[in-house]
Amino acid sequence: TQLLEQSPQFLSIQEGENLTVYCNSSSVFSSLQWYRQEPGEGPVLLVTVVTGGEVKKLKRLTFQFGDARKDSSLHITAAQPGDTGLYLCAGLSQNFNKFYFGSGTKLNVKP
Amino acid sequence: EAGVAQSPRYKIIEKRQSVAFWCNPISGHATLYWYQQILGQGPKLLIQFQNNGVVDDSQLPKDRFSAERLKGVDSTLKIQPAKLEDSAVYLCASSLDGSTKSNTEAFFGQGTRLTVV
Repeated sequence: TQLLEQSPQFLSIQEGENLTVYCNSSSVFSSLQWYRQEPGEGPVLLVTVVTGGEVKKLKRLTFQFGDARKDSSLHITAAQPGDTGLYLCAGLSQNFNKFYFGSGTKLNVKP
Repeated sequence: EAGVAQSPRYKIIEKRQSVAFWCNPISGHATLYWYQQILGQGPKLLIQFQNNGVVDDSQLPKDRFSAERLKGVDSTLKIQPAKLEDSAVYLCASSLDGSTKSNTEAFFGQGTRLTVV
């Protein structure tokens, strides 16, 4: 059983479209991170959200942490082929010593 | 700053053989993680070290997998004997100090792709 569920699992869209990826759990996390992974590489950190309700923007990417710190979303505006990859959310447990990854969302942006 | 180093990048072995992976974390990072990532899925934590002590190894198949982090720096993960279902990418990551909120950004190595035939 996955502690963090991501949806959708797969997403194939055209360049210029918008999309949202969700990361949900029944557990509360002290912080949540989003990573992007390209084929053959390890995951690379995009952002960390810490406070319930927090919104962070990174160029065309907007990240939100749920008020109850159980869920998060990643919104991409005007997707580009360079956004293609596996997006992973990861939650830090409340006692700070365990780190759980979600199931991943594989995004393909077609030119 | 040098990143997390892993070797080898690729390994192909026959089932029932043994294999070992090596990881050198970022200098000064107290926490080291080994993850198994099946193609297209999220990484699954196998074992987490804080310095040279084990924090979590609940998902490590201990009948065939073992890991050590002597001296609290680099680490090795071993599989003996390997099964077909062990085919995956094995990722090593490190963080400054996994015991506090602000220091738990994990930096990943490129991984070792294991194929068991």
